Amino acid sequence: GNSVTQMEGPVTLSEEAFLTINCTYTATGYPSLFWYVQYPGEGLQLLLKATKADDKGSNKGFEATYRKETTSFHLEKGSVQVSDSAVYFCALSPLSGGATNKLIFGTGTLLAVQP
Amino acid sequence: DTGVSQNPRHKITKRGQNVTFRCDPISEHNRLYWYRQTLGQGPEFLTYFQNEAQLEKSRLLSDRFSAERPKGSFSTLEIQRTEQGDSAMYLCASSLGELGSTDTQYFGPGTRLTVL
Repeated sequence: GNSVTQMEGPVTLSEEAFLTINCTYTATGYPSLFWYVQYPGEGLQLLLKATKADDKGSNKGFEATYRKETTSFHLEKGSVQVSDSAVYFCALSPLSGGATNKLIFGTGTLLAVQP
Repeated sequence: DTGVSQNPRHKITKRGQNVTFRCDPISEHNRLYWYRQTLGQGPEFLTYFQNEAQLEKSRLLSDRFSAERPKGSFSTLEIQRTEQGDSAMYLCASSLGELGSTDTQYFGPGTRLTVL
């Protein structure tokens, strides 16, 4: 079946530290991959996406590369800010090409950035 | 574009009662999704509409749950004979799905259900 596994949190970093949140997936075929972010008191927002192998999604300084050989989509940022504190969700869509009819989410990773 | 809206934002009910939630998607979005999120977990897919047609339902959606999207615009999710295990955040999302394109799901703020 389709599933997403992401590293457990919380992840606590100091401002300007390097961030990695690991995400691996299991899927048949060629899924599309997403990172969503949930800031305190707000709804889920799409952070970035990649629709095929070797694609790199990027937004707001965050990056993730779709690695088919390792079935991974790790989220990285070179220098985190306090405002990045949120819960990050890795997700996949079983359909290829980015056309979704449902998303399968990981359990989420809480990031806390301290000044 | 006012985003996806959900009402009510919070609902407290007693076990055995029926509840109904409403979702208003972004206008012109033809796809609408319902998810359920419990504490410490990621959202779980419940069901999906393309216009007014319900195209997929999860095994999570027991016969006590029913969803409608009668005119292809807003949607309702009804839970009959609520149980304490139904306590969760119910999320709605919408997207503009076109063949061959990447559609992004936009989420609403959710309805938090507490069953006493």
